[in-house]
Order: sequence, then structure tokens, then C-alpha cells
Amino acid sequence: QSALSQPASVSGSPGQSITISCTGTSSDVGNYDFVSWYQQHPGKAPKLVIYDVTNRPSGVSNRFSGSKSGNTASLTISGLQAEDEADYFCSSYTNRPTVIFGGGTKLTVL
Amino acid sequence: QLQLRESGPGLVEPSDTLSLTCTVSGGSIGRGSCYWGWIRQPPGKGLEWIGSLYYGGNTYYNPSLESRVTISVDTSKNQFSLRLTSVTAADTAVYYCARGRDDYKWWTHDYWGQGTLVTVSS
Repeated sequence: QSALSQPASVSGSPGQSITISCTGTSSDVGNYDFVSWYQQHPGKAPKLVIYDVTNRPSGVSNRFSGSKSGNTASLTISGLQAEDEADYFCSSYTNRPTVIFGGGTKLTVL
Repeated sequence: QLQLRESGPGLVEPSDTLSLTCTVSGGSIGRGSCYWGWIRQPPGKGLEWIGSLYYGGNTYYNPSLESRVTISVDTSKNQFSLRLTSVTAADTAVYYCARGRDDYKWWTHDYWGQGTLVTVSS
């Protein structure tokens, strides 16, 4: 089972918005609204920032938002801040059933 | 505040068994509707889900690891454990324990341990 596909890197300037894509198949992203996004700073554990495609856990900034269209889910970070610089991973429930992660995207704040 | 902490050997020899324990504090494994899982991350690489368990006994495993993995629970100690047999260098990774979200949503993890690096080498 292949990992979900994410761009290796994205970048943006402070105050701008960026979007990270996560592409799967009809066996996972396309057929279930169970996509999550995690933020991981170097040397730290992942932190859940979006679950069930669009929902933010308590305490997560409303600058983080999620969406989905077909087999592709997206994470958008608006009003980019220096502290947002991190790796971001998507994950999805699959029909096997299992959990599958994306390869990760490194966000650089210029 | 719920906290999870992994413990176990940092070095395992090839072909041996990797054993890790996750100790949960600030909440009970044996109550509620949460699954408890293991995820790993090879150095410099992405995340890989290993498996998830409910205290009542139901488990889900990654098919690519299923033949070598066992996840178990000890509710009296508020711990759950990972056992991975016949390890190779490819099993070298930071291993995280994590909690699945409420309402049996084992595919999303909202609390994570700090992670522990396990190196497979002779």
C-alpha cells in the first residue's frame, strides 16, 4: 500500500497563505472523510492540527483549515508565522482497514 | 492532562525481538472509547502506522508488519506494549505511542508520547 502523495516542500512569507496537498485514492482519501493533518517540529512528536478533513482540535489556531475534493485533501495555513515552519503529514483511514500516512511536506517560512 | 511515555531498549540486535512499553498517566486505558496505538518514523523519513488496540481486545495492524507485530495491554498498570519480532536494520526508527481520538476513532491520534529511538544493530 503506497503512502499518500504530498509535495516535498512548500514555502511562503510571513502573513501569506500556503496550501499543502495530499493525494490518495478511492480506497482512502476519496471514499472517507477521515483525513488528519499533523505538524511536527524537529525532534518533537507530531501534533494533530486537523481531523476528519475540516475539524480543528481545541487549542489549534484557526489559521489552520482543511478541505477535500475527490481523492485530494488539502491543508491551508493562513497568516503564515515563523512558528509554522515545520514538517506536515497527512493521514487517512483506508478500506482495508488501516491507517496510511503521506510522505510529509517541509514548510519553510521565508 | 493526559501524558504518554515510551520505554524500552534503545538498541536491539538483528533477528531479535523489539519490545516497548507505553505508560499512560492522567487518564485510564481501561475506560472510555479510545484506542491506543504505535507509530514509527525512520530517521529523516515519514510516519508509519504500526497498529492500534482497544483495551477490550480489538486490534488493528498494518498488513505489512502484521506477521511480526503484537500489541497488548495491561490495564492494571495503565500500560500498553509493542512487540516486533525478527527485526532488521529497516526497523530502526523513533517509535511513538499515541491515543486514538474519542468515540473509537483509532485512525486519528490526538495525544502522543515524546518518542523513543530504537536502533537495530549488532
